[in-house]
Amino acid sequence: AQTVTQSQPEMSVQEAETVTLSCTYDTSENNYYLFWYKQPPSRQMILVIRQEAYKQQNATENRFSVNFQKAAKSFSLKISDSQLGDTAMYFCAFGGGSQGNLIFGKGTKLSVKP
Amino acid sequence: DAGVIQSPRHEVTEMGQEVTLRCKPISGHDYLFWYRQTMMRGLELLIYFNNNVPIDDSGMPEDRFSAKMPNASFSTLKIQPSEPRDSAVYFCASSPELAGIRDTQYFGPGTRLTVL
Repeated sequence: AQTVTQSQPEMSVQEAETVTLSCTYDTSENNYYLFWYKQPPSRQMILVIRQEAYKQQNATENRFSVNFQKAAKSFSLKISDSQLGDTAMYFCAFGGGSQGNLIFGKGTKLSVKP
Repeated sequence: DAGVIQSPRHEVTEMGQEVTLRCKPISGHDYLFWYRQTMMRGLELLIYFNNNVPIDDSGMPEDRFSAKMPNASFSTLKIQPSEPRDSAVYFCASSPELAGIRDTQYFGPGTRLTVL
């Protein structure tokens, strides 16, 4: 069965600085998708970035980028120029295998300090 | 598009009462998911539908929980009778067919349920 592990329950960063959130996963699948979702205090789940496993190029979305290491089964999220609005829970998720749903990690609570 | 719509946003009820949560997926999406989020257990998938048909309900905790999708634009999650341990945030999400069930899911704003 697939598993997703986020080893950092909480992190903090100063405004305008860069922070990296870690995620590892376990799967025997070769083709799958990986996601980072953001959940601000409003509790809305918002897609931040998506990576297709067959693509070697790391996905980027403005200030958000990933470091996808397929062999190591690692999928970290880098947030550059952190803003106060980035304060949220961040969930890593895996999509693939025989299960139809996404497998979510436990989340990392990120606080951006002024 | 308005995105996934859920109602009500907040629900407070007493133990033993019936609770019905509603969801309207994004138009054209063929997959619909119901999740429950608690501090203790995180995000849990309860059930998902493909083209209005329930595919996997293994996450439904008990017979007190039931879900229906009578048409492509509407789904309900019902709890009868409700118990305090059902208190949680319930999310509905939808996903397009082209992307497949392993791809991006778009979440609604959630319903915060409190059972007293």
